[in-house]
Amino acid sequence: AQSVSQHNHHVILSEAASLELGCNYSYGGTVNLFWYVQYPGQHLQLLLKYFSGDPLVKGIKGFEAEFIKSKFSFNLRKPSVQWSDTAEYFCAVVTNAGKSTFGDGTTLTVKP
Amino acid sequence: ETGVTQSPTHLIKTRGQQVTLRCSSQSGHNTVSWYQQALGQGPQFIFQYYREEENGRGNFPPRFSGLQFPNYSSELNVNALELDDSALYLCASSLRQEPNSPLHFGNGTRLTVT
Repeated sequence: AQSVSQHNHHVILSEAASLELGCNYSYGGTVNLFWYVQYPGQHLQLLLKYFSGDPLVKGIKGFEAEFIKSKFSFNLRKPSVQWSDTAEYFCAVVTNAGKSTFGDGTTLTVKP
Repeated sequence: ETGVTQSPTHLIKTRGQQVTLRCSSQSGHNTVSWYQQALGQGPQFIFQYYREEENGRGNFPPRFSGLQFPNYSSELNVNALELDDSALYLCASSLRQEPNSPLHFGNGTRLTVT
């Protein structure tokens, strides 16, 4: 069975610090990878996705993620966080059969 | 563009009862997926509907069932409610049935089973 692991449950950073959130998955076949974000009081929304091509993908608000197939990883990065990045971040894997699996999320708190 | 809307927002039911949750897809989206999110966990895939038929299912028992209507709206039905069914239920629509099509989520229905 596929699984997604987000190692950091809660990350606290000061503004302008760099961010990297880990995401590892277990599945032997082709995957489609997503990061979703949930800002306080809002619904989950897409941050970025990867399904083929350049393994370094860029999303909204300066976020990027790199797919490393050999490590089964899809880590999320941002060079300089802002207070408005405070949110919960979810990594998700969708197989080509359409089955989706989400990680348990990472809560990011950015101190002004 | 109207987003995904879910109703009701909150619901309290008693163990053994049945519940129906409703979802209206985002305009133009033909695929609907349902998720269960327990406190402190990520969304867990229940099932997906495409062209009014179930198109994939997670590890949920048959007492979780659904419907998709010609206008792409959807219902999630849960029979014989158990205490562990207490969770946030999320509906998500997508433009296409393809696995690389991003999900657009509603705000969820908070179900409490007592």
